[in-house]
Amino acid sequence: NAGVMQNPRHLVRRRGQEARLRCSPMKGHSHVYWYRQLPEEGLKFMVYLQKENIIDESGMPKERFSAEFPKEGPSILRIQQVVRGDSAAYFCASSPTGQGQGKLFFGSGTQLSVL
Amino acid sequence: KQEVTQIPAALSVPEGENLVLNCSFTDSAIYNLQWFRQDPGKGLTSLLLIQSSQREQTSGRLNASLDKSSGRSTLYIAASQPGDSATYLCAVIVLNNDMRFGAGTRLTVKP
Repeated sequence: NAGVMQNPRHLVRRRGQEARLRCSPMKGHSHVYWYRQLPEEGLKFMVYLQKENIIDESGMPKERFSAEFPKEGPSILRIQQVVRGDSAAYFCASSPTGQGQGKLFFGSGTQLSVL
Repeated sequence: KQEVTQIPAALSVPEGENLVLNCSFTDSAIYNLQWFRQDPGKGLTSLLLIQSSQREQTSGRLNASLDKSSGRSTLYIAASQPGDSATYLCAVIVLNNDMRFGAGTRLTVKP
């Protein structure tokens, strides 16, 4: 049973380009969470999704950021027109239940660098 | 608004020492509290999960306690080893399934 898979591990973009980060949850997990970690800081919640639904996006910037978790395929975090301040590690986590009772399992993250 | 604080920010100890990492949170309405380990450039590894109705959990040399009323949790590491060197993150899950993290304690265990 593979863990949470994120790709790419490292992504370099120039200012103004688009970044697409992918997350495949653990088998059997239908709840996905995205977090952002800036250098020397803790993880900050961005968005919580279930299959085909956004449950909570209160941590996501209102502009340029979007997330989806389609019926088939991985969850995608999309950042349009990236700026240097978007440089961070983006972590995805999955859970078999969204009730707050179970553990979250984290991927290894995608390190986004904006030049 | 839930805020999670971890003290100290960094800790350096000689091998073999027992140590305590502290975590505090401002809102006692939590579902559970989880301690993670993060190695440089890598993802998070879950160490211990404490449900809101529990007071502690143990795994090997690790023991985590939870006092919801005072908004505190501690992670106790017995007989520390150089391999324990990492950043330790405390996180609480609040009612909307949001997990809030502290900034972490960076632990160095010297041989």
